[in-house]
Amino acid sequence: AQTVTQSQPEMSVQEAETVTLSCTYDTSESNYYLFWYKQPPSRQMILVIRQEAYKQQNATENRFSVNFQKAAKSFSLKISDSQLGDTAMYFCAFMKNSGNTPLVFGKGTRLSVIA
Amino acid sequence: DGGITQSPKYLFRKEGQNVTLSCEQNLNHDAMYWYRQDPGQGLRLIYYSQIVNDFQKGDIAEGYSVSREKKESFPLTVTSAQKNPTAFYLCASSGQGYNSPLHFGNGTRLTVT
Repeated sequence: AQTVTQSQPEMSVQEAETVTLSCTYDTSESNYYLFWYKQPPSRQMILVIRQEAYKQQNATENRFSVNFQKAAKSFSLKISDSQLGDTAMYFCAFMKNSGNTPLVFGKGTRLSVIA
Repeated sequence: DGGITQSPKYLFRKEGQNVTLSCEQNLNHDAMYWYRQDPGQGLRLIYYSQIVNDFQKGDIAEGYSVSREKKESFPLTVTSAQKNPTAFYLCASSGQGYNSPLHFGNGTRLTVT
């Protein structure tokens, strides 16, 4: 079974600074997908960024980027120029490469952006 | 607009009563999922369905039941056998493969006293 570990329950960052959230996972699959979801206080789950394991290039979406280290099974999220609206729970998730399989989520990191 | 509707947003029940949480989607997605969220536990999979009239247990299915009679609907029943039913419940759906990411509803907060 796949597992996803987020070792930082809580983090804080000053507005406009950069922060990195850690995620490691365990799998015997050779191809899979990784995701970061954001859950603001409204509790709506929002997809932030996704990465295909067979792609070596790290995914980037505006201020959000990942550092994907396949051999180390690591998938960290970097948020640049942090904004107050980035305050949220962030969940790392894993999906096997087969049709409509469920996502496996980590326990989340609560990020607070401080003005 | 297409999306997933969970109702109600807040639900209160007495211990020993069964309760059904509604989840409807108009995205024409084949797969639907139920997750439970507790503080510090992340999202844990209860049940999922990849096609109408078929569903599979997730990691924490005990005390829950589901049905998938229509593509659009995937209701979750929390039975009296569930020891700790108070939680936030999220329903999600997805189309085929990686290019169809998980879409979530807004969730239902269930409180059982």
